[in-house]
Amino acid sequence: ETGVTQSPTHLIKTRGQQVTLRCSSQSGHNTVSWYQQALGQGPQFIFQYYREEENGRGNFPPRFSGLQFPNYSSELNVNALELDDSALYLCASSPTSGGAHTGELFFGEGSRLTVL
Amino acid sequence: ELKVEQNPLFLSMQEGKNYTIYCNYSTTSDRLYWYRQDPGKSLESLFVLLSNGAVKQEGRLMASLDTKARLSTLHITAAVHDLSATYFCAVDLYGGSQGNLIFGKGTKLSVKP
Repeated sequence: ETGVTQSPTHLIKTRGQQVTLRCSSQSGHNTVSWYQQALGQGPQFIFQYYREEENGRGNFPPRFSGLQFPNYSSELNVNALELDDSALYLCASSPTSGGAHTGELFFGEGSRLTVL
Repeated sequence: ELKVEQNPLFLSMQEGKNYTIYCNYSTTSDRLYWYRQDPGKSLESLFVLLSNGAVKQEGRLMASLDTKARLSTLHITAAVHDLSATYFCAVDLYGGSQGNLIFGKGTKLSVKP
């Protein structure tokens, strides 16, 4: 069983640029969530995608956007990067059982973004 | 706004000792999650507590949930160095099981010989 995979693992951008991060969900998982984890902090919920639609969003501005594809993989896009966007971006997938979400998340290793 | 608060945020223990980490949350929720994170690594699911009074144990860790008090505890028994990590509790933003989790700030546990 393949776990959650993310790419790239590390990247460096400059302020004002745009970035796209990618995530492949664990086999059989149809829900993908994205989290931002600043150094020394807990993960902060960005948004969740289920059946290719946004299914919940945290307190992040519209320049954070996402997509989910028919194969359940997902992208996180961040426009107009700011210095404070430097963080570990975690993708997590979760299964549904009988159409109901289980709530338990399985995390990838993350993409570490540095904005200079 | 949903708040999830853990205490302590830092915990230095000696091997063999017992201690409890507390997690309080501010909204109605029937389930709570505990995760572990090793330095530079991702999060690993430890426990999913599904109802009031739920208790789960794995090795030296035991977690419990009191939904009426909006409180969960993670008890460590006879700590060993391998338990050194950061522990997070989390609650669903909408109080259900969608997996839109709001995490606490984490408790950084250091177990010393």
